[in-house]
Amino acid sequence: GENVEQHPSTLSVQEGDSAVIKCTYSDSASNYFPWYKQELGKGPQLIIDIRSNVGEKKDQRIAVTLNKTAKHFSLHITETQPEDSAVYFCAAMRGGSYIPTFGRGTSLIVHP
Amino acid sequence: DSGVTQTPKHLITATGQRVTLRCSPRSGDLSVYWYQQSLDQGLQFLIQYYNGEERAKGNILERFSAQQFPDLHSELNLSSLELGDSALYFCASSLGQGNTEAFFGQGTRLTVV
Repeated sequence: GENVEQHPSTLSVQEGDSAVIKCTYSDSASNYFPWYKQELGKGPQLIIDIRSNVGEKKDQRIAVTLNKTAKHFSLHITETQPEDSAVYFCAAMRGGSYIPTFGRGTSLIVHP
Repeated sequence: DSGVTQTPKHLITATGQRVTLRCSPRSGDLSVYWYQQSLDQGLQFLIQYYNGEERAKGNILERFSAQQFPDLHSELNLSSLELGDSALYFCASSLGQGNTEAFFGQGTRLTVV
């Protein structure tokens, strides 16, 4: 089955810095890669996703890149703000599958 | 607000007991997924239903069962509870069967004492 590795497990940055979270996946048939943000006491919320026919996608301060050959994808957050502090999960899903496989999560802490 | 409603928010129960967690999906969503989140295991997929039928099973224990009713709400039943079952249980829903955005509820925090 699919295996998703996520690094780092904890990331501490100063407000205004950039943050990068990296994930690798094992199943070359995976073609959908969502990223979720989980704030304390809440459920995960989708913040951006990318499909395998695209190499990069941007939405304001967040962007995701995908390298299908290397089987890795990354989340980039620029100009970080304290409200970006949360746990971020990457996931991978293969075509025809119903279930995303999640990474273990990255706890992002943005210091004011 | 994701539109997915889970009840109760918190549940404290004793070992050996049985509990039922309830989930109402977003209006129009046919798929419901159940996940368990614990500190050491991350988000673990338990089971998925699509339009009332079981579609996929993950690491769900035999002591656990679920169903999706005709009105599309779902229940997760946990029986013979053990201390290790203490966790956050999330329900998510999506429109289709795969490769579509899943919306998560706020979770039920289960504490087994």
